[in-house]
Amino acid sequence: EVQLVQSGAEVKKPGESLRISCKGSGYSFITYWISWVRQMPGKGLEWLGKIDPSDSYTDYSPSFQGHVTISADKSISTAYLQWSSLRASDTAMYYCARHLAAAGDFDYWGQGTLVTVSS
Amino acid sequence: SYELTQALSVSVALGQTARITCGGNNIGNKNVHWYQQKPGQAPVVVIYRDSNRPSGIPERFSGSNSGNTATLTISRAQAGDEADYYCQVWDSSTVEFGGGTKLTVL
Repeated sequence: EVQLVQSGAEVKKPGESLRISCKGSGYSFITYWISWVRQMPGKGLEWLGKIDPSDSYTDYSPSFQGHVTISADKSISTAYLQWSSLRASDTAMYYCARHLAAAGDFDYWGQGTLVTVSS
Repeated sequence: SYELTQALSVSVALGQTARITCGGNNIGNKNVHWYQQKPGQAPVVVIYRDSNRPSGIPERFSGSNSGNTATLTISRAQAGDEADYYCQVWDSSTVEFGGGTKLTVL
């Protein structure tokens, strides 16, 4: 069974750093890319960027380039999304999802990680 | 960036047909994917590559794409179809989502 299991909810203060994770199982992790998607409270889906776990090549949305970093460790089938300095506006649910290259649908999603940034 | 336009909300009577549209410049030249998201849950793909249904998605869900509009059609709408629906395309190597449409089944 294909699964993407994300790390648990986080509560952080503005300016703090954070890394959340997404662990794939039930398939060849290096065959599919992983994208990260943000959903702010009561709002729609926003794509942050993607990574090819086979070589860690990344692409970012221009809206998020420079504010988040996507990485992966193929030896443990895990992708990461990290911030070096969180803002209150980063408060959101974050989902990881897998897809084939740069054309496929997001066929499996993680359960989501809620990140709350508040002083 | 490539913009996708969706109506904020669509209402449909129980058992009738709902049509949710996604507008974009020459969107007919792109592959469109549709996701259903119920409250508190992760999105689920209901149509991929314009008109294909993943296994487990009822035949009542169908899709089409031509010109400047892609359409998700839900036949014989049920209460359980109430959800937010998002269209998605690839623009070069980046992803664009529509703003989402809230479907209400009356």
